[in-house]
Amino acid sequence: DVKVTQSSRYLVKRTGEKVFLECVQDMDHENMFWYRQDPGLGLRLIYFSYDVKMKEKGDIPEGYSVSREKKERFSLILESASTNQTSMYLCASRPASGEDTGELFFGEGSRLTVL
Amino acid sequence: AQTVTQSQPEMSVQEAETVTLSCTYDTSESDYYLFWYKQPPSRQMILVIRQEAYKQQNATENRFSVNFQKAAKSFSLKISDSQLGDAAMYFCAYRSNRGSQGNLIFGKGTKLSVKP
Repeated sequence: DVKVTQSSRYLVKRTGEKVFLECVQDMDHENMFWYRQDPGLGLRLIYFSYDVKMKEKGDIPEGYSVSREKKERFSLILESASTNQTSMYLCASRPASGEDTGELFFGEGSRLTVL
Repeated sequence: AQTVTQSQPEMSVQEAETVTLSCTYDTSESDYYLFWYKQPPSRQMILVIRQEAYKQQNATENRFSVNFQKAAKSFSLKISDSQLGDAAMYFCAYRSNRGSQGNLIFGKGTKLSVKP
């Protein structure tokens, strides 16, 4: 089974802190994604990556950056956390076309609270 | 731009009964995927069922089935013989099959409660 692991289930940070959210997948998937989930808003795409060192902005990239130095790892970075970034963050992965059924495989999520 | 609409923020069903969750979407494309994902409380999101737009037959996975109406752009999920473990957030999602990097577009979700 595909396993997508997010490093922290719960984090509490202070305004202005730099925050790293880590995600690792073990199925050699080319595509990786970071979503933000808020009540009443569903899931919104922050950034995605289709290859090592490649990244693309999603729908709400402002205030975030990402890093993909290795195929299995995709990190989300909040350079200076703000209270409006309090949210649930979901990482997901998907294989490249050819093996792609369209399905995303999700991690368990990281609930971030910014005080 | 494609959109996905789930008009029912919350639904409730009695255990062993049947419930239908609604989803509509808007697209000008003809080749795409549709999904229902389940997110149990404090647990990861998992795929429930998947439908390819070019297939006329409605997808079925055990107690879960869909009613896919392509012309109406409707994709509802029916859960039969509801169980307590079905209680979760359910998200409808759309993905274009054009290009290799099409991303999923999610609805806002429906919270399903199951009453014993």
